[in-house]
Amino acid sequence: GNSVTQMEGPVTLSEEAFLTINCTYTATGYPSLFWYVQYPGEGLQLLLKATKADDKGSNKGFEATYRKETTSFHLEKGSVQVSDSAVYFCALRGPPSNTGKLIFGQGTTLQVKP
Amino acid sequence: GAVVSQHPSWVICKSGTSVKIECRSLDFQATTMFWYRQFPKQSLMLMATSNEGSKATYEQGVEKDKFLINHASLTLSTLTVTSAHPEDSSFYICSARGQDIIISDTQYFGPGTRLTVL
Repeated sequence: GNSVTQMEGPVTLSEEAFLTINCTYTATGYPSLFWYVQYPGEGLQLLLKATKADDKGSNKGFEATYRKETTSFHLEKGSVQVSDSAVYFCALRGPPSNTGKLIFGQGTTLQVKP
Repeated sequence: GAVVSQHPSWVICKSGTSVKIECRSLDFQATTMFWYRQFPKQSLMLMATSNEGSKATYEQGVEKDKFLINHASLTLSTLTVTSAHPEDSSFYICSARGQDIIISDTQYFGPGTRLTVL
């Protein structure tokens, strides 16, 4: 079945450091891929998405590229801020896409220190 | 943007009682709503998918008689935890997908409801 694996956290970085959170997936067909962020005390928010191979999703300085050859969708940011501290979830939506079902990774906690 | 609310945000109840959690799409019509459960420091587990006006589809291992889901309108879905027990204590999150073609590709999540059963 479909699944998502994320690197275990917590990830602790200093402000302005480079961030990578690894995400790999297993899926049949061509899934859509997502990164969601959950700030403390809040619900999940869509951060970025990519719907086909080689697509790059980007938002708020974060980027992720849909790599079908390595079945990966790693999240990157060139310079993190304290306000980026949150839990990040990688997710996929496999075909048939009309079901809308999302499969989530286990989440990676990011802590950014000033 | 699309906003989803949940009520209550937290609830404490005694073992054996039933608890109802509401999920509302505030500024769009949600053809499909999803209910998730999240344990501490773990991922979201999909419990069920509900489409307006029809019965919910439950994931394997989720007791449909214990977790009653009603999606009576395009803006409201409810999850009722019946005869709650301490092991039902968890963070329950809903999400909604709209019927508008622009937003139908994305799920919008509510802030979650923390349930504690004593």
